[in-house]
Amino acid sequence: GAVVSQHPSWVICKSGTSVKIECRSLDFQATTMFWYRQFPKQSLMLMATSNEGSKATYEQGVEKDKFLINHASLTLSTLTVTSAHPEDSSFYICSASIGGAPIGPDTQYFGPGTRLTVL
Amino acid sequence: DQQVKQNSPSLSVQEGRISILNCDYTNSMFDYFLWYKKYPAEGPTFLISISSIKDKNEDGRFTVFLNKSAKHLSLHIVPSQPGDSAVYFCAASAKGNTDKLIFGTGTRLQVFP
Repeated sequence: GAVVSQHPSWVICKSGTSVKIECRSLDFQATTMFWYRQFPKQSLMLMATSNEGSKATYEQGVEKDKFLINHASLTLSTLTVTSAHPEDSSFYICSASIGGAPIGPDTQYFGPGTRLTVL
Repeated sequence: DQQVKQNSPSLSVQEGRISILNCDYTNSMFDYFLWYKKYPAEGPTFLISISSIKDKNEDGRFTVFLNKSAKHLSLHIVPSQPGDSAVYFCAASAKGNTDKLIFGTGTRLQVFP
């Protein structure tokens, strides 16, 4: 159980275009979803936290207008990279949280990630 | 400001021996720590966790030790197996912000026969 999927798994786009990445919780309802970015040989950096039906909370330094997050339902969150540039090339990973406290092993389940390459 | 640090980018261990992966943190508000295993082009998978009220947690071949005074934790894998070869991330969360995970930079473990 607790499977999170991402689509697409990899995408190549031209500079200036927009790319949408989907994150779905397949067998549970996710009260909260998280978006991370990982550059090669670096740690996963939290970009934003989204709760269903409300605006996402972005981490410091993450441009809200560039990385649009929509959490339309308890099973789907989308990240849109607008006007993508080569420096946006990265591995984007989402996670979904069943919720509840305290945080524990059943709190966040990670998707397989999406490799974005901007030419 | 890297609040969670894994100073060894890589570790190579012979099959059957013990693997010890280390993690240091700077934020004294962290009260829950997790270890994740990650294969290339995949998301992290949860391995084991520990609360700050404990100093040890064991699950099969995996044991996590926490030294709060030193702000240090370690993951022991024994015996190591070739299938353990992956990148291991430690992560931490703080009281009042339990959903926000702060990850270390990862340690690539290679277990050779």
